Amino acid sequence: AQKVTQAQTEISVVEKEDVTLDCVYETRDTTYYLFWYKQPPSGELVFLIRRNSFDEQNEISGRYSWNFQKSTSSFNFTITASQVVDSAVYFCALRFIVDDKIIFGKGTRLHILP
Amino acid sequence: DGGITQSPKYLFRKEGQNVTLSCEQNLNHDAMYWYRQDPGQGLRLIYYSQIVNDFQKGDIAEGYSVSREKKESFPLTVTSAQKNPTAFYLCASSRQGAIQETQYFGPGTRLLVL
Repeated sequence: AQKVTQAQTEISVVEKEDVTLDCVYETRDTTYYLFWYKQPPSGELVFLIRRNSFDEQNEISGRYSWNFQKSTSSFNFTITASQVVDSAVYFCALRFIVDDKIIFGKGTRLHILP
Repeated sequence: DGGITQSPKYLFRKEGQNVTLSCEQNLNHDAMYWYRQDPGQGLRLIYYSQIVNDFQKGDIAEGYSVSREKKESFPLTVTSAQKNPTAFYLCASSRQGAIQETQYFGPGTRLLVL
C-alpha cells in the first residue's frame, strides 16, 4: 500500500526554537518522489522541496533542512530558529509511477508562539 | 506573472444546484489537477488531466465533472449528486504528468452549502 503518515497533528513551539516535522511513507515502488508543501492561513499550498528516491543527500535551504532516510522510509523537515511566519500547516507528499498519483499526508499544523 | 488563478474565492451552493469552479493557469503546463481538502485532512484527488481533451477520475470523482477544452483551463463542476460538497477545493498544475514534476497550486475556492 502507498501511504504517507504525519503522526504529529499539531505542534506548538516558542519563536526561535528548532522544530522537526516527521514524515514516514510506505511504497513498493523503487522510483518515487517526495515533496513538502506549506499551507499558510491563506490556503494556497506553497512548494518547498522535491526529492527523488535515488538521492539521499540531505538538503539545507536557509533555515529549512530535510533529512531523507530510505532505510527508515522517512523524510523529515526541520525548521531552525523558527519564526512566527512559519506558522502554517505542512504537508508531506509521495508521488509514484502507478496511476501518476500523488498521496498527501494529513498535515502537521505548526504554531510558532511569539 | 505566471501562476494559477481560481475563482471565486468563496462559493455558496443551494441544495440541488450545480456550481462550477474556475481554474486557469498561464504556466503553459500540460497537466492539471483538482483536489478536495476537508478540515484536518490531507488532499484527495478528484480529477486530473494530462493533456487537452483528456481527463481521468481520481479517488473521489463521484458527484463531480470536469472538462479540458483548452490547455490553460480546467473547470470543475460540483453536481447535485455530490451530497457533501462543503470543502476547500484546490487546483494544481504541473509541466507534465510525469512523477518528477512538481505540482503548483492555486489559492483555492471554499465551497459552502446554504
